[in-house]
Amino acid sequence: EDKVVQSPLSLVVHEGDTVTLNCSYEVTNFRSLLWYKQEKKAPTFLFMLTSSGIEKKSGRLSSILDKKELFSILNITATQTGDSAIYLCAVERRTSYDKVIFGPGTSLSVIP
Amino acid sequence: DVKVTQSSRYLVKRTGEKVFLECVQDMDHENMFWYRQDPGLGLRLIYFSYDVKMKEKGDIPEGYSVSREKKERFSLILESASTNQTSMYLCASALDGLYEQYFGPGTRLTVT
Repeated sequence: EDKVVQSPLSLVVHEGDTVTLNCSYEVTNFRSLLWYKQEKKAPTFLFMLTSSGIEKKSGRLSSILDKKELFSILNITATQTGDSAIYLCAVERRTSYDKVIFGPGTSLSVIP
Repeated sequence: DVKVTQSSRYLVKRTGEKVFLECVQDMDHENMFWYRQDPGLGLRLIYFSYDVKMKEKGDIPEGYSVSREKKERFSLILESASTNQTSMYLCASALDGLYEQYFGPGTRLTVT
């Protein structure tokens, strides 16, 4: 059965800390791995990863994919209170109508 | 600016009632999706639609149906609401593929 696992499920850090969020997957017909940030209600897109070893960066956030070991990490450096959110990892499958499987999310709280 | 709207932010219904959740997007997107989000389970795909009057079951379609009579509108229907359908429901749309999905604000449905 296809699945996406995230760890930790929740995390509390102080402002300025660096955090690493983990996502592992067992999915047939892998197409891409996606990271979303969910604040309040709706998730917003962060990164799409398709190739191993190529780091994607956006400001203080970065992510990398390892297709051999079937995992991805999302790094956030110099965390701020505005980084508090649920971070969702999702894997897109290459099927007739590509479907996306989401992990349970990591709830990050950044305290001053 | 991209916009996906959902008809209600909060909804309380009784067991056995028929429930309609409406989603409208103004981006002329082909693909639209309905998810539910539950703690510890992440986002799970209920149904999606890749064209007007076309629909496909997602991972958890039981107890739900959908309607897409117009391109911009995708409705989720609970024929006979049950307490285990209490959840956050998120609608999303995408131009093509699945990786750049735009999400609505969500509807928190409580079935008593």
